[in-house]
Amino acid sequence: DGGITQSPKYLFRKEGQNVTLSCEQNLNHDAMYWYRQDPGQGLRLIYYSQIVNDFQKGDIAEGYSVSREKKESFPLTVTSAQKNPTAFYLCASSIAGSGTEAFFGQGTRLTVV
Amino acid sequence: GESVGLHLPTLSVQEGDNSIINCAYSNSASDYFIWYKQESGKGPQFIIDIRSNMDKRQGQRVTVLLNKTVKHLSLQIAATQPGDSAVYFCAENGASNTGKLIFGQGTTLQVKP
Repeated sequence: DGGITQSPKYLFRKEGQNVTLSCEQNLNHDAMYWYRQDPGQGLRLIYYSQIVNDFQKGDIAEGYSVSREKKESFPLTVTSAQKNPTAFYLCASSIAGSGTEAFFGQGTRLTVV
Repeated sequence: GESVGLHLPTLSVQEGDNSIINCAYSNSASDYFIWYKQESGKGPQFIIDIRSNMDKRQGQRVTVLLNKTVKHLSLQIAATQPGDSAVYFCAENGASNTGKLIFGQGTTLQVKP
């Protein structure tokens, strides 16, 4: 089945550690996105990529990094510089350009312990 | 800055009644709008979308209305069912050609049996 897969579903991180969240899609979409969701709030854009080997910062990029070496993959690294990383992270993909729906993965819940 | 807001954080309806969820957007240049449904612990699911050249669009049991004059969007769900209980988000493209979306805070729909 075509879709977008995030792993792991739950992730625990010690303070001071970097962790990487995986996002893979087989929809042949050019564009991919990472959003952060805090309890009772909407989604905020961290990073997005419209094409392989290119990505741009979103509204809350500080403390995060990404790479886009393959069309299918857009991993997100939460670095130790992110002061409040506990959140629900959602990856999405879409056909490049505006005016099309974004398809979401099932999310990764990151908790700092 | 750009923002998409919802009028009510929680809506409680009786099973079988119609539900109306409202959304206000701020960017008059936005030309694409989406409604998503998010169940607890899952990623958002596409419900319906509408472009700015339309003022109404219907799907299966759902209707989206767009009023560009007052920058208002609404989602109507007919014959609400217990399975409709979730958080509903509206999103706009903010006149961006990158495909990124700006999300509102969400409305929780509770369906009483």
